[in-house]
Amino acid sequence: DAMVIQNPRYQVTQFGKPVTLSCSQTLNHNVMYWYQQKSSQAPKLLFHYYDKDFNNEADTPDNFQSRRPNTSFCFLDIRSPGLGDAAMYLCATKPDRPTDTQYFGPGTRLTVL
Amino acid sequence: GENVEQHPSTLSVQEGDSAVIKCTYSDSASNYFPWYKQELGKGPQLIIDIRSNVGEKKDQRIAVTLNKTAKHFSLHITETQPEDSAVYFCAASYKAAGNKLTFGGGTRVLVKP
Repeated sequence: DAMVIQNPRYQVTQFGKPVTLSCSQTLNHNVMYWYQQKSSQAPKLLFHYYDKDFNNEADTPDNFQSRRPNTSFCFLDIRSPGLGDAAMYLCATKPDRPTDTQYFGPGTRLTVL
Repeated sequence: GENVEQHPSTLSVQEGDSAVIKCTYSDSASNYFPWYKQELGKGPQLIIDIRSNVGEKKDQRIAVTLNKTAKHFSLHITETQPEDSAVYFCAASYKAAGNKLTFGGGTRVLVKP
């Protein structure tokens, strides 16, 4: 089945130790999004790619970076994780047209010790 | 930018009863309104969506209504079942803003057997 896959599902890192989360999709969608979701809150958009065109949200900290080497894969890099970065990280995809629907992956739960 | 408010934040219903969740949005340019269901430890799953050129949409036990003039939309779940227990998010977006979703704060629904 076509889907959005996130690895790992659970990630534990130490304070200040860089970590990379990955997202892959078999949907061949042009647009990919990264969201941060803290406990009992709504998802918050960090950035998105339209093909290779990177779009950062104004309030996304510089500590968060992203790479999209090809259509199928997108990575979220957290350069120096702090305790406040512990959250669920969600990847979503969307085709360019005709739908506006975003399809979410299962998420990666990040714990920072 | 867009602001979406969602009420109530928690909703407890008896199995078989109906559940209604309401959202208001601020930007009259928004034209796409999805509803997502999120179960514990999982990514949001689209359950129904509506565009601004439609007033109502129904899919089995789930319906969404939209009042563009008042800038509010609602989710209706009839004949609720225990598996409907989850957190529900409404969202709004429009193409000129890059189809970025602005989420409401979420409603935790508990269906009691």
